Amino acid sequence: QKEVEQDPGPLSVPEGAIVSLNCTYSNSAFQYFMWYRQYSRKGPELLMYTYSSGNKEDGRFTAQVDKSSKYISLFIRDSQPSDSATYLCAIGGGANSKLTFGKGITLSVRP
Amino acid sequence: ETGVTQTPRHLVMGMTNKKSLKCEQHLGHNAMYWYKQSAKKPLELMFVYNFKEQTENNSVPSRFSPECPNSSHLFLHLHTLQPEDSALYLCASSPVGGTEAFFGQGTRLTVV
Repeated sequence: QKEVEQDPGPLSVPEGAIVSLNCTYSNSAFQYFMWYRQYSRKGPELLMYTYSSGNKEDGRFTAQVDKSSKYISLFIRDSQPSDSATYLCAIGGGANSKLTFGKGITLSVRP
Repeated sequence: ETGVTQTPRHLVMGMTNKKSLKCEQHLGHNAMYWYKQSAKKPLELMFVYNFKEQTENNSVPSRFSPECPNSSHLFLHLHTLQPEDSALYLCASSPVGGTEAFFGQGTRLTVV
C-alpha cells in the first residue's frame, strides 16, 4: 500500500461550486498534514498546514483531518477560476520528519 | 524577491552534456532539498542537506551530483543524463527538523 494516496483527477467544476479534495495515508505515525497548491509552470506553495484532527479554516479553504480513519480533506467554498491549479497533499512527521506527497489532482474551475 | 530562487527556469540538454541547476534561498533556513516532479507521479525526494551536510540520498543515480557550499545555496550537477530524466526539478528549504517546505519555481529539464 502506498504511503499517501490521492484521489485521481482531473476535476472540473463550475464557478461557485464546493470542491472536496481527499487523501488517505497508511502510516499512523504521521503528525503533520499539509496542502500545497501548484499553478502551471510554478513551484508548489503551502496552502494549509495542520497537525491535529479536526477542521482548520482559512477564508474559503477548510482543511480536515481524521486521524482515526487516516483521511485528510481540503474543501474549497465558492470556487473561483483562480483556484484552477494542481493540489498536492503532503504528510510528514514520524521517525524522520520527511514529507511524503500525494500525486496531486488538477482542478479546473469553469467561469 | 521570492524566498527560494531557481535558475535556469528551463533547460534543454543533450545526453552527453554537463549542466548545473542552481538554487538560492533567502529565508534563513538550514535545510535544503532537491525534488523531482514527473507527470502523474508524486514528488520524489532526491537529496537532503542539513547545515551544508548531505543527510539523505534516495538512491539517486550518480549522474546527478548535488553540492551545497553553504546553507543558502544548493546546486545539482548533471552529466550524461537520459531522456527519462526529463522532469521538473524543484528545490525547497525549511528550518532543520521542520516539516514545512518552501519551494522554488523549478527548472523544467528536457533531455534530448
